[in-house]
Amino acid sequence: AQSVTQPDIHITVSEGASLELRCNYSYGATPYLFWYVQSPGQGLQLLLKYFSGDTLVQGIKGFEAEFKRSQSSFNLRKPSVHWSDAAEYFCAVGAEEYGNKLVFGAGTILRVKS
Amino acid sequence: KAGVTQTPRYLIKTRGQQVTLSCSPISGHRSVSWYQQTPGQGLQFLFEYFSETQRNKGNFPGRFSGRQFSNSRSEMNVSTLELGDSALYLCASSLAGEFTEAFFGQGTRLTVV
Repeated sequence: AQSVTQPDIHITVSEGASLELRCNYSYGATPYLFWYVQSPGQGLQLLLKYFSGDTLVQGIKGFEAEFKRSQSSFNLRKPSVHWSDAAEYFCAVGAEEYGNKLVFGAGTILRVKS
Repeated sequence: KAGVTQTPRYLIKTRGQQVTLSCSPISGHRSVSWYQQTPGQGLQFLFEYFSETQRNKGNFPGRFSGRQFSNSRSEMNVSTLELGDSALYLCASSLAGEFTEAFFGQGTRLTVV
């Protein structure tokens, strides 16, 4: 079965600083990996996805993530954080054998201080 | 292109009642999945419908059910509501049967009192 771990519940960074949110997954074969962002009371917005190919993927809003099979990780990065990036971020894993089901991590709440 | 539409956005129900939530997927999308989000359990998969058939089901009691219509719109129903059913219910729409990215609606906030 798939599982996702986001080890950091909260992260606080200064505006303009770089950001890295950690995600580790458990799945036997090559998974499909996603990062979503959620603002309070809202739905989930897809930031980026990895299906195959280049292990460094670019997403919206200046985010990128790197798939590292050897570490079972898919960490999200941004070189310079903006105050509007404050939100909750979810890593998710999917697999073809499970249809379109996604398994989510617990989420990381990002606070941005000015 | 319109996104995923969930109605209603907010709902307050009493314990023991039942509730029906609706989801209209993105035009052309044939797969609809439902998730429950709570502070304690996070985001949990309820079920997925594809071409009017339930294809996958999460670990929820039988009080939670769903269906999909021929136009891909989906409804989920929760019977005999419990306080613990209070949650944000999210619907996700995907293009096809094989794995593709999921687009989420704004959710329905259900409060059981």
